[in-house]
Amino acid sequence: QSALTQPRSVSGSPGQSVTISCTGTSSDVGGYDYVSWYQQHPGKAPKLMIYDVSKRPSGVPDRFSGSKSGNTASLTISGLQAEDEADYYCCSYAGSSLREFGGGTKLTVL
Amino acid sequence: QVQLVESGGGLVKPGGSLRLSCAASGIAFSDFYMSWIRQAPGKGLEWVSYISSSGSTTFYADSVKGRFTISRDNAKNSLYLQMDSLRAEDTAVYYCARESVWTFDYWGQGTLVTVSS
Repeated sequence: QSALTQPRSVSGSPGQSVTISCTGTSSDVGGYDYVSWYQQHPGKAPKLMIYDVSKRPSGVPDRFSGSKSGNTASLTISGLQAEDEADYYCCSYAGSSLREFGGGTKLTVL
Repeated sequence: QVQLVESGGGLVKPGGSLRLSCAASGIAFSDFYMSWIRQAPGKGLEWVSYISSSGSTTFYADSVKGRFTISRDNAKNSLYLQMDSLRAEDTAVYYCARESVWTFDYWGQGTLVTVSS
C-alpha cells in the first residue's frame, strides 16, 4: 500500500480539464513543498511534469499545473489531448531522507 | 543530451545476488544525488535508495534495508546497486534517476530483475 493516496483512474474528453489528487499527511505532502508529478506511458520510463508543487520543467506544456492545499496536492491537466493518456504518479519528500510515491492514477482520454 | 543507461538485470533465483549499473552521460554526475526506483509488474513506483553526490551518505527503503547496497564511482560517472538475498517480491523494473532537491528530473530506461526459481 502506497504512502500517498491517488485515485486509481480519472477520465476526460479532449479539450476538457481533469484534476488528479494526491493525499498524504502533515509528515509528507503537508509538511514540505517538495511534491513532484511524473507521467508514464506504457513501457516507458517516468517523465517529470511538475516539481516543487507547482513548477514546470522546460518543455512541459503549460496545460499541466500543480497545486497544494493542506495534505493534498493536485495535478490539473487542461485542454486534454490524446497524448496525455498515461499513468501519473505523485511523489513527496517525507522527512528523514524518505521519498514516497503515490499509487498512481490512470488517465483515460475518452 | 542527458543519458542514464541501466544494465545488469536478469533472472536470478531466490536468495541470489545481482549487481545493477547505471552509466550517466551529459550530466554533471558528481554534483547530484542519485536514486534507484523500482516498479513491480503492473504496479506503481517505489523508491528504493539514494546516495549523496560524494557517496558519503546513503539511505534505503525499509523493504530493502540490509539486503541492498547503493554505491557510485564519480570518476566513471556510474551508479550501482548491489542486491543480495533477493526475494520474489524484488521482481521489478529498476530505474536509476538523478535527484535535484527531492525531485527525480532524469530517468534511465530501466532494467528488469526477475527473481524466480
